[in-house]
Amino acid sequence: EDQVTQSPEALRLQEGESSSLNCSYTVSGLRGLFWYRQDPGKGPEFLFTLYSAGEEKEKERLKATLTKKESFLHITAPKPEDSATYLCAAYSGNTGKLIFGQGTTLQVKP
Amino acid sequence: GAGVSQSPSNKVTEKGKDVELRCDPISGHTALYWYRQSLGQGLEFLIYFQGNSAPDKSGLPSDRFSAERTGGSVSTLTIQRTQQEDSAVYLCASSLAAYTDTQYFGPGTRLTVL
Repeated sequence: EDQVTQSPEALRLQEGESSSLNCSYTVSGLRGLFWYRQDPGKGPEFLFTLYSAGEEKEKERLKATLTKKESFLHITAPKPEDSATYLCAAYSGNTGKLIFGQGTTLQVKP
Repeated sequence: GAGVSQSPSNKVTEKGKDVELRCDPISGHTALYWYRQSLGQGLEFLIYFQGNSAPDKSGLPSDRFSAERTGGSVSTLTIQRTQQEDSAVYLCASSLAAYTDTQYFGPGTRLTVL
């Protein structure tokens, strides 16, 4: 069964304290791994798409990486405005659906 | 350009009433999706429209749920005889064409069934 699991569920960091969010997936025929950011009361905002193991993408303080079993979202020197829920989703070639994880809620304190 | 828009942003209804939720996709996007996000849950796929093809309704939780897309653009999700368990945020997304294209989400409609 296709599944996407994110850890931790919640993460509290001090401003400037770098860390990583994990997304483990078991998806048949992976066709893309997507990262989104969701602020309270808003829809998910697209961040990255990764298509093959070894691929990396960066945007400001965020870097996403992909292996054959998991993806990481690295946050370098986070700021309070990085506080949000980060969602990971994998496209399953088996079901033709985008399978979402439960999300990691990040809080960055000044 | 304009993103995906949804209306209303909030809807409070009584159990047993019907509700309609509207989605305007990004202009030029042929694929449109509906998801449901319940508190503490991941996004749950409901239905997928691609161009003029028959929609993929495999995620609809019951026959009280239906959706249509008129003219290949605006979509309406209808929930009949609402139940308290239908309370959730309903999100609409659109993408350029294929399912593997990036999906861009609207702000969602928060539905509360009393």
